[in-house]
Amino acid sequence: SAVISQKPSRDICQRGTSLTIQCQVDSQVTMMFWYRQQPGQSLTLIATANQGSEATYESGFVIDKFPISRPNLTFSTLTVSNMSPEDSSIYLCSVSDRANYGYTFGSGTRLTVV
Amino acid sequence: GNSVTQMEGPVTLSEEAFLTINCTYTATGYPSLFWYVQYPGEGLQLLLKATKADDKGSNKGFEATYRKETTSFHLEKGSVQVSDSAVYFCALAGSTLGRLYFGRGTQLTVWP
Repeated sequence: SAVISQKPSRDICQRGTSLTIQCQVDSQVTMMFWYRQQPGQSLTLIATANQGSEATYESGFVIDKFPISRPNLTFSTLTVSNMSPEDSSIYLCSVSDRANYGYTFGSGTRLTVV
Repeated sequence: GNSVTQMEGPVTLSEEAFLTINCTYTATGYPSLFWYVQYPGEGLQLLLKATKADDKGSNKGFEATYRKETTSFHLEKGSVQVSDSAVYFCALAGSTLGRLYFGRGTQLTVWP
């Protein structure tokens, strides 16, 4: 199954700044998914990123706040812009693995906004 | 639409007790069902999965059976250990393996 390298693993950021999270996959994948996990909560899908097209955002998430890039089939970035303490969460990327009929997750980025 | 309903936690058990975490789903088509586990401070790990009705997924002593008639995928383990303490998420994917739909998660604590 695919292996995902996600960076950074954690960061503490000042409010009003931006952080870019990177996910590198060791194989080509069509769809990549970005999730947010707020403290003590389940995972919420932010957006689906397909190579060569605009990301598709879920209700409550907008491109200005969470711009996503997907320059090729093995890489994607999520930026959390103009951060506030409410953005403190774990952010995870994921890919579907059709060969094994499952999903692989990155190790997550634990973001704290102060 | 697709959704997952998972029993509320937290669940607290003594070592060697029997565990059941209930999960029911609503879906169109023929979904695949998953259980993920998240240990403290770590990412998500796939625990087990089932891709069609009546399939039983199993791993590390945990089992779950895909029941289409009751739209359920309950997680069970006959004898839990302290090391099983974690958050467990039930999840559903549509037949095209698009996004996952997660339940709310159930915190399990096992005491020695």
